[in-house]
Amino acid sequence: AQTVTQSQPEMSVQEAETVTLSCTYDTSESDYYLFWYKQPPSRQMILVIRQEAYKQQNATENRFSVNFQKAAKSFSLKISDSQLGDAAMYFCAYRDLGTSYGKLTFGQGTILTVHP
Amino acid sequence: DAGVIQSPRHEVTEMGQEVTLRCKPISGHNSLFWYRQTMMRGLELLIYFNNNVPIDDSGMPEDRFSAKMPNASFSTLKIQPSEPRDSAVYFCASSRSGAPYEQYFGPGTRLTVT
Repeated sequence: AQTVTQSQPEMSVQEAETVTLSCTYDTSESDYYLFWYKQPPSRQMILVIRQEAYKQQNATENRFSVNFQKAAKSFSLKISDSQLGDAAMYFCAYRDLGTSYGKLTFGQGTILTVHP
Repeated sequence: DAGVIQSPRHEVTEMGQEVTLRCKPISGHNSLFWYRQTMMRGLELLIYFNNNVPIDDSGMPEDRFSAKMPNASFSTLKIQPSEPRDSAVYFCASSRSGAPYEQYFGPGTRLTVT
């Protein structure tokens, strides 16, 4: 079974600085998708970024980018120019393209604190 | 698009009462997922549907929990009888079956069982 591990329960960063959140996963599949979701105090789960495993280019969405290392099964999220609104719980998630009908496997989450 | 709609947003009930949570997925999405989130156990997948058919309910904690999806635009999660340990935030999410595959979450229902 696929597993997703986020080894950092908590992280903190100064406003305007850069922070990287780690995620590793275990799978025997070659085609899959990876996602980062953000859950602010409002508890709404918001998609931040996605990465297709067949793409070598790392995904980027404004200040958010990923470092996808397929061989190492690593998928880290980099937040540049951190803002107070980035403070949230961040979840890494995995989805294979088999018969799971879109089921996501989530990591345990990382709480990010942004200091002014 | 209105997004995934859940109701109620908050529910407070007494132990032993029946609780029904409701979800309207995004139009055109054919997969629907129910999650539970607690501090102790994190985010747990309870059950998911594809084209209104339950695919995997192995995450449903016990027989007190049941879920239905009578049509493509509505699903319910029912707890009967409710217990204090059921207190959690319950999320509904939906997705398309094709790429890019991400799930869109509703705002959640915060359930408190006293």
